[in-house]
Amino acid sequence: AQTVTQSQPEMSVQEAETVTLSCTYDTSESDYYLFWYKQPPSRQMILVIRQEAYKQQNATENRFSVNFQKAAKSFSLKISDSQLGDAAMYFCAYRSLINQFYFGTGTSLTVIP
Amino acid sequence: DSGVTQTPKHLITATGQRVTLRCSPRSGDLSVYWYQQSLDQGLQFLIQYYNGEERAKGNILERFSAQQFPDLHSELNLSSLELGDSALYFCASSLQSSGESQYFGPGTRLLVL
Repeated sequence: AQTVTQSQPEMSVQEAETVTLSCTYDTSESDYYLFWYKQPPSRQMILVIRQEAYKQQNATENRFSVNFQKAAKSFSLKISDSQLGDAAMYFCAYRSLINQFYFGTGTSLTVIP
Repeated sequence: DSGVTQTPKHLITATGQRVTLRCSPRSGDLSVYWYQQSLDQGLQFLIQYYNGEERAKGNILERFSAQQFPDLHSELNLSSLELGDSALYFCASSLQSSGESQYFGPGTRLLVL
């Protein structure tokens, strides 16, 4: 079975600075999808960004971008110009082509004013 | 607001009981997914329905079952409840059945006493 690993249980960043959250995964599939979700204290799960494995170009969404390294099975999230509202738990997720989903254990991000 | 609604928001029940959680997907979405988020097991994918048919199954216990109705709302039935079933249960929806992004509801918090 696929596994998703987030090795940083907690991270902190100064407001307006840049932070990178790490995610690695294990799979034997060649096609799949990767996601980053944000879960603020409200517990609502919010989609941040998505990457299709067949696309070499890294996905970007405003201040959020990913570094997708398929050979290394790495999918890190970079948050630029961090804002107080970015403080949340961030989950990396893997979706296989047979619609199985696997989530990492999450990284708690603190933004320091 | 993701457009996905879940009821009830909170549920308190006793061991051995049965409960039903309800989910209404975003307008136009055909797929519904159920997840369980507990403190010790993180976020786990349970099951997916697409246009009324079961499409994928994850770590769903035999005591749990789900269905999607013709109007596309879905229900997750949890029976013979145990203390360990206490968790936040999320429903998510997407337009099609594979690959694209999911949008999560606010969750139902279940407490089994």
